[in-house]
Amino acid sequence: NAGVTQTPKFQVLKTGQSMTLQCAQDMNHNSMYWYRQDPGMGLRLIYYSASEGTTDKGEVPNGYNVSRLNKREFSLRLESAAPSQTSVYFCASKRPLGQGPEKLFFGSGTQLSVL
Amino acid sequence: AQKITQTQPGMFVQEKEAVTLDCTYDTSDQSYGLFWYKQPSSGEMIFLIYQGSYDEQNATEGRYSLNFQKARKSANLVISASQLGDSAMYFCAMREGRTSYGKLTFGQGTILTVHP
Repeated sequence: NAGVTQTPKFQVLKTGQSMTLQCAQDMNHNSMYWYRQDPGMGLRLIYYSASEGTTDKGEVPNGYNVSRLNKREFSLRLESAAPSQTSVYFCASKRPLGQGPEKLFFGSGTQLSVL
Repeated sequence: AQKITQTQPGMFVQEKEAVTLDCTYDTSDQSYGLFWYKQPSSGEMIFLIYQGSYDEQNATEGRYSLNFQKARKSANLVISASQLGDSAMYFCAMREGRTSYGKLTFGQGTILTVHP
């Protein structure tokens, strides 16, 4: 199983450019998440999707939009990138209750630099 | 107030010794979950252990155990018999409430260095 797959792994943008980070999971999970990790800090939640067709803001949603395209895919879009959005972005999905200990599965991350 | 506090920015331990990484949390919910994740230099997030607020026994997973002290609101990670491969950043995280859809709040992390 691939688990949670994120693309791209690395990206450099100029201020004002837009881009979409892609995320897909093959574990049939309902809930998916986007986190960002700044140097020396823990992860902060940007947006999440409790189930297909729903999305909600997390702790740091400003400057981002998301789309839950279907049960598998959850994308994160930066409409006009800013240097403050330089970070490592992680997508994650959550195993449903009753299928083992509660656990988030993370993708390998996208390192984004905005110049 | 910080929901998750990890007071040790860095820790050092000798190979084969045990080490405790501290984590305290703040919540008014009765139902919550506590997690530890490992992040090696390669950057991926590796799940280590989970403790539910209603679990009476401390969680264990191989060499990892979670020292859960509910009254003190602490959830320390104990790694027994440290290995060189344990050198990494360690994050404590919390899920509050029953219907928070798994949203986790993370601490700032502790860098663990294992010396040979």
